[in-house]
Amino acid sequence: GAVVSQHPSRVICKSGTSVKIECRSLDFQATTMFWYRQFPKQSLMLMATSNEGSKATYEQGVEKDKFLINHASLTLSTLTVTSAHPEDSSFYICSGSLGRGKTEAFFGQGTRLTVV
Amino acid sequence: EDKVVQSPLSLVVHEGDTVTLNCSYEVTNFRSLLWYKQEKKAPTFLFMLTSSGIEKKSGRLSSILDKKELFSILNITATQTGDSAVYLCAVEALAAGNKLTFGGGTRVLVKP
Repeated sequence: GAVVSQHPSRVICKSGTSVKIECRSLDFQATTMFWYRQFPKQSLMLMATSNEGSKATYEQGVEKDKFLINHASLTLSTLTVTSAHPEDSSFYICSGSLGRGKTEAFFGQGTRLTVV
Repeated sequence: EDKVVQSPLSLVVHEGDTVTLNCSYEVTNFRSLLWYKQEKKAPTFLFMLTSSGIEKKSGRLSSILDKKELFSILNITATQTGDSAVYLCAVEALAAGNKLTFGGGTRVLVKP
């Protein structure tokens, strides 16, 4: 299957700082990437859909000014958590799709963010 | 709003047992249903189902979809401790642009 690389795998930051998470598709071009958040023992909650070259589409309740998504190329999407707070501590996962007609999503390894 | 419900929430079995996981869904213009296995980190793909009644198999795992009753099951036979994980079910709707709606997952613990 296709490979999606997500970095960093773990990050600890202070309240008020910003953290950038990168998601790269290594062997395919991901026209669409998805960003999920997962709280302990809960399922994946879609935060936003990132399309290359255009603005991300955010799910209801997700603050777009707080979770900045950039998808500048077909192989890279980034999520920046701005002015992080302890309640932003969570597991963030990206996934890349091969595009229409190809439903299977390929997930990155995930990033565990801890805000102290 | 699309909805995916998995049951049971969790179960504990012993090696060699068979487990059956359930996933029911409500989605407008269903396109596909996917099963994932999640251990410590990111989910790994198991199956994608689009047609009713066609069983998909991979080793000891199999899955089938019933589009009339709007559910799918995932079976694991002769379970091993390595099968311990959270199993996630997700559905995609037509025109959703590959966006998946996930169920809450079933946590499976296989004891030696």
